[in-house]
Amino acid sequence: SQTIHQWPATLVQPVGSPLSLECTVEGTSNPNLYWYRQAAGRGLQLLFYSIGIGQISSEVPQNLSASRPQDRQFILSSKKLLLSDSGFYLCAWSVRGLSGELFFGEGSRLTVL
Amino acid sequence: SQQGEEDPQALSIQEGENATMNCSYKTSINNLQWYRQNSGRGLVHLILIRSNEREKHSGRLRVTLDTSKKSSSLLITASRAADTASYFCATSGGSNYKLTFGKGTLLTVNP
Repeated sequence: SQTIHQWPATLVQPVGSPLSLECTVEGTSNPNLYWYRQAAGRGLQLLFYSIGIGQISSEVPQNLSASRPQDRQFILSSKKLLLSDSGFYLCAWSVRGLSGELFFGEGSRLTVL
Repeated sequence: SQQGEEDPQALSIQEGENATMNCSYKTSINNLQWYRQNSGRGLVHLILIRSNEREKHSGRLRVTLDTSKKSSSLLITASRAADTASYFCATSGGSNYKLTFGKGTLLTVNP
């Protein structure tokens, strides 16, 4: 069966520090991969999605970046965090070519101080 | 934007009652999906309804879709305390690999 792992689960970082959140998917090949951010009490904002290795689409201009070094690995990064980067980050995957049902990780809560 | 908007923002009911949540969207869709999120957790897919379908059932869940009104509803029958969660609708438009989520309805089921 397919599983998705996301880490770290919780992160407290100072303003201006770097960020790396990692997500891996097991049990499937060629998945579409996604990073969403959820602000407190708000909906999900799509940050990045990827339909293949090295293919990253950015939805929102920001100081974050994403990379997909391997087929089932998706990394969210920042060189210098801002206070506004605080939030709940969710990685998700979907089966390429199908209806787009998403399977989410358990999330990473980032607090920037 | 295809973003769905759920209504109400919050709903509090007693165990055993039915809960109805609504979702409206702005542009044409391929399908509409409902997800559930327990506090501090990831989202879990509940049900998907395609644009050519009008109603779909899964267990205690019933989803309707009215494309002429660009709206959908999620009905949870005989609610349980364990149904307490946030519920989101998400729409898929021109490209099936991109979902746009609404802000969600927070459902509280009181025992």
